[in-house]
Amino acid sequence: SQTIHQWPATLVQPVGSPLSLECTVEGTSNPNLYWYRQAAGRGLQLLFYSVGIGQISSEVPQNLSASRPQDRQFILSSKKLLLSDSGFYLCAWSRQGSSGNTIYFGEGSWLTVV
Amino acid sequence: DAKTTQPTSMDCAEGRAANLPCNHSTISGNEYVYWYRQIHSQGPQYIIHGLKNNETNEMASLIITEDRKSSTLILPHATLRDTAVYYCIVRVGKTSYDKVIFGPGTSLSVIP
Repeated sequence: SQTIHQWPATLVQPVGSPLSLECTVEGTSNPNLYWYRQAAGRGLQLLFYSVGIGQISSEVPQNLSASRPQDRQFILSSKKLLLSDSGFYLCAWSRQGSSGNTIYFGEGSWLTVV
Repeated sequence: DAKTTQPTSMDCAEGRAANLPCNHSTISGNEYVYWYRQIHSQGPQYIIHGLKNNETNEMASLIITEDRKSSTLILPHATLRDTAVYYCIVRVGKTSYDKVIFGPGTSLSVIP
């Protein structure tokens, strides 16, 4: 069976510090990978998606970047965090190749920038 | 991408059926309707999906209108644990990439 893990689960970072959130998927190959953010009391915002190693599409201009160094690894990064980067970050995956495939989400990472 | 519209919030009495509507009037023929829910501080949980036929699983039923412009998620016997935000989304059916956009969803409160 397939599983998705992301870490850390929670972190508190000072403004201007770097960020690295990591996500890995097991039990499948060549998945679509996604990073979403949810600000407090808001809906889900798609940040990045990837259809393969090194292939990253950004949905909104922002202070964040994403990388996919391996097939089942997706990393969300920032060189200098802003207060507005606080939120709940979710990694997700889906199968490629056909429409109608389910998206599965990780447990989420709570980021508080202070 | 087809857009969806849902009511902002709904209440349902515990033990009664919760019927959550969703409009997707611009849906394309190869796009599926998906439902997820998100309990506070957790990742969204997949509930059910369908193309044109009604679907049922252990969690819920999905009723899709014949013209596919709207659908209803039915939780047959709502419990307090069903209190969550429910998202109705439509999948972009391209094989080269697959981008999924979530709207604000419906906040369902199950009342004792």
